[in-house]
Amino acid sequence: DAGITQSPRHKVTETGTPVTLRCHQTENHRYMYWYRQDPGHGLRLIHYSYGVKDTDKGEVSDGYSVSRSKTEDFLLTLESATSSQTSVYFCAISEGASGYTFGSGTRLTVV
Amino acid sequence: AQSVTQLGSHVSVSEGALVLLRCNYSSSVPPYLFWYVQYPNQGLQLLLKYTTGATLVKGINGFEAEFKKSETSFHLTKPSAHMSDAAEYFCAVRISSGSARQLTFGSGTQLTVLP
Repeated sequence: DAGITQSPRHKVTETGTPVTLRCHQTENHRYMYWYRQDPGHGLRLIHYSYGVKDTDKGEVSDGYSVSRSKTEDFLLTLESATSSQTSVYFCAISEGASGYTFGSGTRLTVV
Repeated sequence: AQSVTQLGSHVSVSEGALVLLRCNYSSSVPPYLFWYVQYPNQGLQLLLKYTTGATLVKGINGFEAEFKKSETSFHLTKPSAHMSDAAEYFCAVRISSGSARQLTFGSGTQLTVLP
């Protein structure tokens, strides 16, 4: 398997609290992505990164921020969690035309 | 901007029958096209991809897909379904140029295989 890990795998948090999800890769890929998966919506892009300190918004970026201070780590932060952010979050890495390699996902529940 | 439409959120087939999952895309530039499979409580696994060249693409587990530019389609097929094929399948498109390399996904098709 490609070296991509997400942590935590599961998290329950309260409304209004900040939450940070971590994606770590050992492949030295330039591109990293955060998606959320919800029934009936497939996967929707939240934010992506094309290098250290280089990030941009996806289609559902409101309420989320990201940081990439090292090639191997891409952090997703929910600044103040809401129930609508209950979802499964996937990180992915990419290099070349080979498509993406996905992590195993983080299941986040906001109560 | 690119987009993907998967026709049929749920498809049921009998074991041994043909599997056909439909995907249509829109893209203003030549696309790269992908099919991913997701088993319960797992991440997405690449089944196959089209970038350039031969329009009939073979993937893992006996699946294949054909890129038809005139129909803007990239349907996924398998001649004979197996119980282990039950999963959710996602079609995705990426433009072949530019720096973002973003994949845009369809909403998914849940495949059920009946004994």
